[in-house]
Amino acid sequence: SQQGEEDPQALSIQEGENATMNCSYKTSINNLQWYRQNSGRGLVHLILIRSNEREKHSGRLRVTLDTSKKSSSLLITASRAADTASYFCATEPSGNTGKLIFGQGTTLQVKP
Amino acid sequence: NAGVMQNPRHLVRRRGQEARLRCSPMKGHSHVYWYRQLPEEGLKFMVYLQKENIIDESGMPKERFSAEFPKEGPSILRIQQVVRGDSAAYFCASSPPGRGYGYTFGSGTRLTVV
Repeated sequence: SQQGEEDPQALSIQEGENATMNCSYKTSINNLQWYRQNSGRGLVHLILIRSNEREKHSGRLRVTLDTSKKSSSLLITASRAADTASYFCATEPSGNTGKLIFGQGTTLQVKP
Repeated sequence: NAGVMQNPRHLVRRRGQEARLRCSPMKGHSHVYWYRQLPEEGLKFMVYLQKENIIDESGMPKERFSAEFPKEGPSILRIQQVVRGDSAAYFCASSPPGRGYGYTFGSGTRLTVV
């Protein structure tokens, strides 16, 4: 079964607003990653946060990780129409698994 | 430095035929992963391979599906005797050796079984 659960499932905002997506997971992890997928395309890696980190920034992206609650959030500030896509969190479970477990994704629509 | 190359982009097969999907990882990446995505859904893990080794195939159906990553050449995901339920997008990703790296994904192969 998939480990990551994102909410909301869908989000619609106006250009310039901030978008926040949340992800919850079930088991202990080595790291958590966020990916973006434009319709009909492959996934693009956005950011990775390790289990001993609490917050990470990359451009307009801010990711937080709370391992006690087994949750993460992705904040996109000053959104643009080009940010319209599906966003997935993925966890690398603890141990020498190597594989990532993806959530169901949040579909973000940014209206111009 | 080309990314992860998958081919074909689109594949149509009749029920009962074989589907063969190819994936060439990024240069320097020795880990390959295959995922399946149904419409409006997330990615479901199928198999994780390193050169000449299957590391984890816990997501692969026990019958009709197989994967390999030979010493030379691309990784191959093979589906024998396809059924309509196999219709999906199949994505390959690769990562460098070691731990804690993000994946680089290919553009996927969209398999349609008619």
